[in-house]
Amino acid sequence: AQKVTQAQTEISVVEKEDVTLDCVYETRDTTYYLFWYKQPPSGELVFLIRRNSFDEQNEISGRYSWNFQKSTSSFNFTITASQVVDSAVYFCALINNAGNMLTFGGGTRLMVKP
Amino acid sequence: DAGVIQSPRHEVTEMGQEVTLRCKPISGHDYLFWYRQTMMRGLELLIYFNNNVPIDDSGMPEDRFSAKMPNASFSTLKIQPSEPRDSAVYFCASSRRTSGSSDTQYFGPGTRLTVL
Repeated sequence: AQKVTQAQTEISVVEKEDVTLDCVYETRDTTYYLFWYKQPPSGELVFLIRRNSFDEQNEISGRYSWNFQKSTSSFNFTITASQVVDSAVYFCALINNAGNMLTFGGGTRLMVKP
Repeated sequence: DAGVIQSPRHEVTEMGQEVTLRCKPISGHDYLFWYRQTMMRGLELLIYFNNNVPIDDSGMPEDRFSAKMPNASFSTLKIQPSEPRDSAVYFCASSRRTSGSSDTQYFGPGTRLTVL
């Protein structure tokens, strides 16, 4: 069985602050993929990043960065210098290599205030 | 390239009516997924298809729900008869499996269904 836990249900920050969204996962598989999706107020689900279980290199894309640590089964997401447009619900998700079923965490609602 | 297309974007219907949600996956994608999002249950997978064939429908809540994929570019999710507890946002997603690995699922904009 797979499980994804996003312990932070809501985070509120002021613009320009850095914020980290936590994601902890459980799986018995050795090959798996981790994802982050963004759901802005308009409602669509936007793909942000995909990592496979063999690649523990941190990734940076503009103000976004991801820290993948297999030792702690975590895949955390950091937004540097947050902006109001970052306000959204962010979902972490997991899929194993053999399957096609995404397991989503409960999501973290990020509110960035001006 | 166009993303996943869903229609309608919003649907309001009365209890007992039939509802049909439509999805056009990204061209070239061979997997199609239907998800439902509610406040209580979050995002849950209802059913998915591979090459137009239903593979796993264990998430379909009950017999009132049915899904079809008559061809590679079109799928429907039907609820008959609809009930107020079916009110949710329904997402369609598609992906393309490459080299035996699970590829990224890309989501459509969703259909917000309200059953009165």
